[in-house]
Amino acid sequence: EVQLVESGGGLVQPGGSLRLSCAASGFTFSGFWMNWLRQAPGKGLEWVANINQDGTLKFYVDSVKGRFTISRDNADNSLFLQMNSLRAEDTAVYYCAAGLAHWAQGTLVTVSS
Amino acid sequence: DVVVTQSPLSLPVTLGQPASISCRSSQSLVSSDGNTYLIWLHQRPGQSPRRLIYFVSNRDSGVPDRFSGSGSGTDFTLKISRVEAEDVGVYYCTQVIHWPHTFGQGTKLEIK
Repeated sequence: EVQLVESGGGLVQPGGSLRLSCAASGFTFSGFWMNWLRQAPGKGLEWVANINQDGTLKFYVDSVKGRFTISRDNADNSLFLQMNSLRAEDTAVYYCAAGLAHWAQGTLVTVSS
Repeated sequence: DVVVTQSPLSLPVTLGQPASISCRSSQSLVSSDGNTYLIWLHQRPGQSPRRLIYFVSNRDSGVPDRFSGSGSGTDFTLKISRVEAEDVGVYYCTQVIHWPHTFGQGTKLEIK
């Protein structure tokens, strides 16, 4: 069974940091581009970052460049998103997705004082 | 950035009736490999999105054949031949050829 299980979300103050993790199982993790997407409360979907199969290519949406870092560990079937200098507008449910074929359950990140 | 525009944004449909959603992009989504990188997703209330269709018209495993995708270049359509109760939710199209990848605004399908 394909599973993507996220962890690491929560409440953080503006300027703070969080690290999201996504553990994959049931499919060939190393064969997929991996993605982080987010959905602000009541809003649509937004791409955040993605990374190619061997981790050599990474892309970020402009609003998170220089603050977020995507990475992966193919030996451990894991995807990460290091989020620094968080802002109120980063508040959202964050999803990891393999291609767009498989999705995690989402983890809520709330940036508030 | 590539702008993706969906219409309508709200779609009330009677059970058993057809439904159609339009998706237009500001740039061609055709790649040099011959594929067109347009995907349709469905998000039920309170759930993660689910991919329905990739490369314009290829249904994912387990997606009912009442769903079909068509189009080319910059103009695409998702059709549901006979709407069922489980089809409620928001439908998104997204282009995955130009970075940043971008989504349409979403079309909320509800049962009349």
